Amino acid sequence: SQQGEEDPQALSIQEGENATMNCSYKTSINNLQWYRQNSGRGLVHLILIRSNEREKHSGRLRVTLDTSKKSSSLLITASRAADTASYFCATGVEAGNNRKLIWGLGTSLAVNP
Amino acid sequence: EAGVTQFPSHSVIEKGQTVTLRCDPISGHDNLYWYRRVMGKEIKFLLHFVKESKQDESGMPNNRFLAERTGGTYSTLKVQPAELEDSGVYFCASSPRTGSYNEQFFGPGTRLTVL
Repeated sequence: SQQGEEDPQALSIQEGENATMNCSYKTSINNLQWYRQNSGRGLVHLILIRSNEREKHSGRLRVTLDTSKKSSSLLITASRAADTASYFCATGVEAGNNRKLIWGLGTSLAVNP
Repeated sequence: EAGVTQFPSHSVIEKGQTVTLRCDPISGHDNLYWYRRVMGKEIKFLLHFVKESKQDESGMPNNRFLAERTGGTYSTLKVQPAELEDSGVYFCASSPRTGSYNEQFFGPGTRLTVL
């Protein structure tokens, strides 16, 4: 069964607006990562936040993590048409040398020009 | 630096046939992962190699799937015989071997359709 559940499943906004996507997970984690997938392409790593961190920024991206609620949010500020893609959260459950990622279903973001 | 590459990009086969997917990780990356996304469902972990050794193969669906990474470079994932439910996008990822967790670099995926 999936670890992460993103909401909303689909989001449509106008260029320049902010987009917020949420992710909830079930088990204890080492870290949480956000990835983007443009149509027909591979997954691109956006940002990683460790379990002892609460907030992280990277350019127009802001990620928060609340381990007590087992949830994370990804905020994209001043969105652009090029941000149109599917966004996935993935939790890293580190056990020894194991490094697998457990994924949510993703949020499909459409940024309209 | 070249990214993770996968071959083929698309494969259409009939039920009962065999298909072999290939992944070339980023040069020097010891960790190699296979994931699969079936339509409408989440991306699921299949297995993880460290160099040529299988570190974790807990996600392999059944014994029709065989993954290899001879020599610790590229990897192949063979499905034999393929079933309808094997259709989906197969992603490969790699990461360097460091002491702490790190991001995984993904290939574009192979879209497998079993008819």
